[in-house]
Amino acid sequence: AQTVTQSQPEMSVQEAETVTLSCTYDTSESDYYLFWYKQPPSRQMILVIRQEAYKQQNATENRFSVNFQKAAKSFSLKISDSQLGDAAMYFCAYRSAKWRNSGGSNYKLTFGKGTLLTVNP
Amino acid sequence: NAGVTQTPKFQVLKTGQSMTLQCAQDMNHNSMYWYRQDPGMGLRLIYYSASEGTTDKGEVPNGYNVSRLNKREFSLRLESAAPSQTSVYFCASSGDRDNQPQHFGDGTRLSIL
Repeated sequence: AQTVTQSQPEMSVQEAETVTLSCTYDTSESDYYLFWYKQPPSRQMILVIRQEAYKQQNATENRFSVNFQKAAKSFSLKISDSQLGDAAMYFCAYRSAKWRNSGGSNYKLTFGKGTLLTVNP
Repeated sequence: NAGVTQTPKFQVLKTGQSMTLQCAQDMNHNSMYWYRQDPGMGLRLIYYSASEGTTDKGEVPNGYNVSRLNKREFSLRLESAAPSQTSVYFCASSGDRDNQPQHFGDGTRLSIL
């Protein structure tokens, strides 16, 4: 079974500065996907960024980028130019890239326990 | 832009009562999921459905049942609620393409007294 570990329960950053959230995972699979989800106080789960394991290039989405180290099984999220609206709980998640035999696809997510990010004005 | 709709948003139950949480998606997704979120625990998978007519247990299925009523709807039932089931429950769905993420509903906050 896969496990996802977020070693930082809480982080804080000054507005306009950069912060990196850590995530490590354990798997014996070679093909998988990694995600970062953001959960603001509104409780919505919002996809921030995704990374395909077969891609060596790190994913970027505007101010959000990842540092994907496949051999080290590390998947950190960097937020540049932090804004007050970035304050939220951030979850790292793993998904296997394989089909089930039941006739449909199954893409279960395994989540880390989350990192609560505070942005200070 | 409904996406994944969960009802109700909040509910308070007494120990031993039963309750069904409803979930519907309008994205024509085959796969649907139920998670619970507890403080310090992240999201844990309760049950999932890979396609209409199939359901499977996730990480924490005890005390729950599910029904995949049709392609759109996936309900979660608590037959005899216990205080340990106090949590926030999320429904999600995903498409069949390999790189598609899961889309989540807004969650149901359930308190069991």
